[in-house]
Amino acid sequence: EAGVTQSPTHLIKTRGQQATLRCSPISGHTSVYWYQQALGLGLQFLLWYDEGEERNRGNFPPRFSGRQFPNYSSELNVNALELEDSALYLCASSLETGIPYNEQFFGPGTRLTVL
Amino acid sequence: QKEVEQNSGPLSVPEGAIASLNCTYSDRVSQSFFWYRQYSGKSPELIMSIYSNGDKEDGRFTAQLNKASQYVSLLIRDSQPSDSATYLCAVRSGAGSYQLTFGKGTKLSVIP
Repeated sequence: EAGVTQSPTHLIKTRGQQATLRCSPISGHTSVYWYQQALGLGLQFLLWYDEGEERNRGNFPPRFSGRQFPNYSSELNVNALELEDSALYLCASSLETGIPYNEQFFGPGTRLTVL
Repeated sequence: QKEVEQNSGPLSVPEGAIASLNCTYSDRVSQSFFWYRQYSGKSPELIMSIYSNGDKEDGRFTAQLNKASQYVSLLIRDSQPSDSATYLCAVRSGAGSYQLTFGKGTKLSVIP
């Protein structure tokens, strides 16, 4: 069974540009979560999508946004990039919400570098 | 503010010894607890989940949960050099939110 996939692996942008990151969940999983892991910091929750809807977002500015498509894949958009947005962006998927103890499985991540 | 605390380490243990990793959390309504392993430059890999008080064993790994003390731990028996990694404790609140709150991780080094 294929795991969570993310693209691209690496992304280099300059300040002010926009970045789009993509994620495909494990087959059968309907929930997608986005996390940011900046150097020296822990994983910080960004966004949670389930059944095409944004269910919750972390403490990040509105220039971080995304969506979930009918096939449950997702994309994360970061507008007006800043240097501190440089980080590893991780996508995780889980079975549908409502299962009390669903586990999240991570993709390999997208390394975003903002110059 | 929900917090998950871990000792950053590094924790060094000799090969074959037991490694003990600890985690405390602040949100009393937390229901689910997870341990992830992250090798340098890689993404987190789920190794254990625990939901009820007590111990849960899976191979060389044992997770322990004490909700009254808001404490969860991971024991690694017969530690191997390949266990050298950063171990992340993650907690999910039961209050309708399904995202995970992570600790900053404990770096484990197993010395051959």
